[in-house]
Amino acid sequence: NAGVTQTPKFQVLKTGQSMTLQCAQDMNHEYMSWYRQDPGMGLRLIHYSVGAGITDQGEVPNGYNVSRSTTEDFPLRLLSAAPSQTSVYFCASTTPSRSSGRGTDTQYFGPGTRLTVL
Amino acid sequence: AQKVTQAQTEISVVEKEDVTLDCVYETRDTTYYLFWYKQPPSGELVFLIRRNSFDEQNEISGRYSWNFQKSTSSFNFTITASQVVDSAVYFCALSEGRVGSSNTGKLIFGQGTTLQVKP
Repeated sequence: NAGVTQTPKFQVLKTGQSMTLQCAQDMNHEYMSWYRQDPGMGLRLIHYSVGAGITDQGEVPNGYNVSRSTTEDFPLRLLSAAPSQTSVYFCASTTPSRSSGRGTDTQYFGPGTRLTVL
Repeated sequence: AQKVTQAQTEISVVEKEDVTLDCVYETRDTTYYLFWYKQPPSGELVFLIRRNSFDEQNEISGRYSWNFQKSTSSFNFTITASQVVDSAVYFCALSEGRVGSSNTGKLIFGQGTTLQVKP
């Protein structure tokens, strides 16, 4: 398993540009989420999804869009980049434990995307 | 509202010293998970431990140990005989729960504690 993969690793944008951060997982996890990490603030949840076709907002959703058309992919779109979106972005996935014994309940993170908006 | 507080911003120790990283959480949920993650200088997030709210047993894994106390809403992490390779940022996190599940795929992180272990 490749686990959770993210592309690109690094990106520099100009203010106003749009782009999509890619995230994919090959563990058949139901839940996927996006976090941003800023100095001194830990990680904060941007958007999350509990399954294909289902998404919801996290703590800091403004300026970002998501969609989940497949179980494997969960792209994050920046509509019009702003300097305040300069951050490190992490994608994560997990599956809740079931009475069947399947599931993990642990969130596995991708390697991150370092985004700079000038 | 759920919240995780790691009051220690930075800790510096000399190799072989023991060090405890504090984590205090707030939640109204009765079912939840607590996590510790390590972020080395390379930047990735490494899972260390998950603890269910129903399980208050302390856990030891090699030089690492965790003390979970619901009475004080704390989940502290101790590294015994620290090594230079332990230098990293450590995050404590809380998984929001809901009826029937401790895992909603949403984590609330503390601010992180930067641990520097000097040779």
